Amino acid sequence: KAGVTQTPRYLIKTRGQQVTLSCSPISGHRSVSWYQQTPGQGLQFLFEYFSETQRNKGNFPGRFSGRQFSNSRSEMNVSTLELGDSALYLCASSLGGLDGPQHFGDGTRLSIL
Amino acid sequence: GQQLNQSPQSMFIQEGEDVSMNCTSSSIFNTWLWYKQDPGEGPVLLIALYKAGELTSNGRLTAQFGITRKDSFLNISASIPSDVGIYFCAPSNFGNEKLTFGTGTRLTIIP
Repeated sequence: KAGVTQTPRYLIKTRGQQVTLSCSPISGHRSVSWYQQTPGQGLQFLFEYFSETQRNKGNFPGRFSGRQFSNSRSEMNVSTLELGDSALYLCASSLGGLDGPQHFGDGTRLSIL
Repeated sequence: GQQLNQSPQSMFIQEGEDVSMNCTSSSIFNTWLWYKQDPGEGPVLLIALYKAGELTSNGRLTAQFGITRKDSFLNISASIPSDVGIYFCAPSNFGNEKLTFGTGTRLTIIP
């Protein structure tokens, strides 16, 4: 059974640019969550999508947005990139609700120059 | 606000030793998950706990969901080199996919 796939694995951008990250969940999983991991702040929840709707949201500015498609694949977008956005962005999928824990992809390492 | 404390922050042990780490929270949770993260990879689920007082094992790993629903511990017996990594607790509530992660316990095995 294929795991959670995130693309690209590495990305380098400059301040002010925007970026789109992609996540393909485990087949059959309808919930996709996004997390930001930095050395200083640890793992922090960004948002969760279920059946194409944002169901939960963390405490991040509006520059961070996402969407989910009908096949449960999800994208995350960050606009007007700042140096502090450099991080490992992790995607996790689950069946949703009471049906099972989240499983993570290996992340996208985003570096802002 | 909610506080989640994971300890110890780091551990330096010799191969074969047993390891214990724990998480405590100011809030009640319905689920406690334990993950391990290796360098350059995403967290991998080790154990999931769904009931207060539950004690669950996965090979050399044993975890317990505290009876107050505010804490959990993870034990690793007879550590081996591949146990090196960062361990995270991640509690949540049913129906809410938002995981709150502990600060992590970095495990290092001294030759």
